[in-house]
Amino acid sequence: DAMVIQNPRYQVTQFGKPVTLSCSQTLNHNVMYWYQQKSSQAPKLLFHYYDKDFNNEADTPDNFQSRRPNTSFCFLDIRSPGLGDAAMYLCATSRGQGAVGYGYTFGSGTRLTVV
Amino acid sequence: DQQVKQNSPSLSVQEGRISILNCDYTNSMFDYFLWYKKYPAEGPTFLISISSIKDKNEDGRFTVFLNKSAKHLSLHIVPSQPGDSAVYFCAASVEGAQKLVFGQGTRLTINP
Repeated sequence: DAMVIQNPRYQVTQFGKPVTLSCSQTLNHNVMYWYQQKSSQAPKLLFHYYDKDFNNEADTPDNFQSRRPNTSFCFLDIRSPGLGDAAMYLCATSRGQGAVGYGYTFGSGTRLTVV
Repeated sequence: DQQVKQNSPSLSVQEGRISILNCDYTNSMFDYFLWYKKYPAEGPTFLISISSIKDKNEDGRFTVFLNKSAKHLSLHIVPSQPGDSAVYFCAASVEGAQKLVFGQGTRLTINP
C-alpha cells in the first residue's frame, strides 16, 4: 500500500546530541511537511518542501534543519536537542496541486524523548 | 496567536447519540477546512472537508457545517459508534498556501 513511513517510531537522544528523524513516501507526492506536536497542543508546522523548494516557517528555531534528497525521502535534523524539543514529530505529504484541501497523508509519527 | 481553536479538550457521548465537535478560527482568509481523526500510536487520517463556498458537507455519518460569519465550524457524527473514539483535529488552509493550520484537538470518547 502507498503510504508515509516514519522511522524510528520512538527515539531517545541525549541533551545536545544531534539526532535525525526520517520520513519516506511511496505516494509520489510533491509536498512533504514536518510538524511538531507537543502534548495537548496543535501540531505546529516547522517547514515544508514543495519538490526541492524549501519553505521555512518564520518561528522555526535554527536548531531544526531539513533535507529532501529526492522525492521519496525527507529528513528532520535537530542539531542540539533541548528538553523543550521533546515532542511527537509528524511527517505528512500532499499532492501540491490545487487546494491543499485534498488533505495530507500522515505518517505514524516519531516520539522524541530528550534525556 | 492560535488561528484555529478547539476549545473543548474532551467530549464524552453515549453510543448511538450525536457527537458535535466544534472549531473556531480567526483568519478570514481561510477558505478550506478539514477534519482529521487520530487513534493512539497512529498518524492523523483525513475524515471530511468543506470549502468556504459551502455551508454543509455530508459523508455518511459525518457532516461538517461551516458558519463563515461566526468563523465557526462543527463536525456532527450520527449515530456515534465506539470506533469513533479518537482525537479529532480541525484544520484550515488558505488557497495556494499549500499548508494546513491545526487546532489542538478534541478527544472524543463514545461510551457503550
